[in-house]
Amino acid sequence: GAVVSQHPSWVICKSGTSVKIECRSLDFQATTMFWYRQFPKQSLMLMATSNEGSKATYEQGVEKDKFLINHASLTLSTLTVTSAHPEDSSFYICSARGTSSYEQYFGPGTRLTVT
Amino acid sequence: AQSVTQLGSHVSVSEGALVLLRCNYSSSVPPYLFWYVQYPNQGLQLLLKYTSAATLVKGINGFEAEFKKSETSFHLTKPSAHMSDAAEYFCAVSEGYQKVTFGIGTKLQVIP
Repeated sequence: GAVVSQHPSWVICKSGTSVKIECRSLDFQATTMFWYRQFPKQSLMLMATSNEGSKATYEQGVEKDKFLINHASLTLSTLTVTSAHPEDSSFYICSARGTSSYEQYFGPGTRLTVT
Repeated sequence: AQSVTQLGSHVSVSEGALVLLRCNYSSSVPPYLFWYVQYPNQGLQLLLKYTSAATLVKGINGFEAEFKKSETSFHLTKPSAHMSDAAEYFCAVSEGYQKVTFGIGTKLQVIP
């Protein structure tokens, strides 16, 4: 089956620093990748949609300059949280979709804690 | 616009009892519907999906769901709950290749 990985699975960073999260499709080409954020005991909220080689499309209310998304290849997308603050602490999940499929395959998630 | 409503943020069942998790959707076009399960600190695992084929969909781990257009529902069921079923369950809807919208989730507790 389609496998999506994320790295790291858990990261702790200090306030004001930046942190990068990688999302990889291991056995298929992901033309579209999605980034979600999940607060404790809440559902997933879509942050942005990225198509390979194009700029990401951000959902309303998501700061583009704070959450930098790059989708440079068909197997890799990155989310960089810039100048992180404690309120950015959350569970970040990516998903990937292939060329001819409507189905999204989810990564295992990354727990970000900003101290 | 598409949306999903999950009735009951917490559901408790006894081990061996029927599991019923409710989901109602709203969509302007024939939808694709999904049920996902999430264990603590993990990503989402697809349980089953409806894609306009059979209205009764069977998934993994003994779960199934029935698409009822007249009721705009896609409830998830399992005849006999197992302790390992304790997790968070999310219903989701998409309109073709559009983004997926998730419900708020239902936490299933299985009582021994």
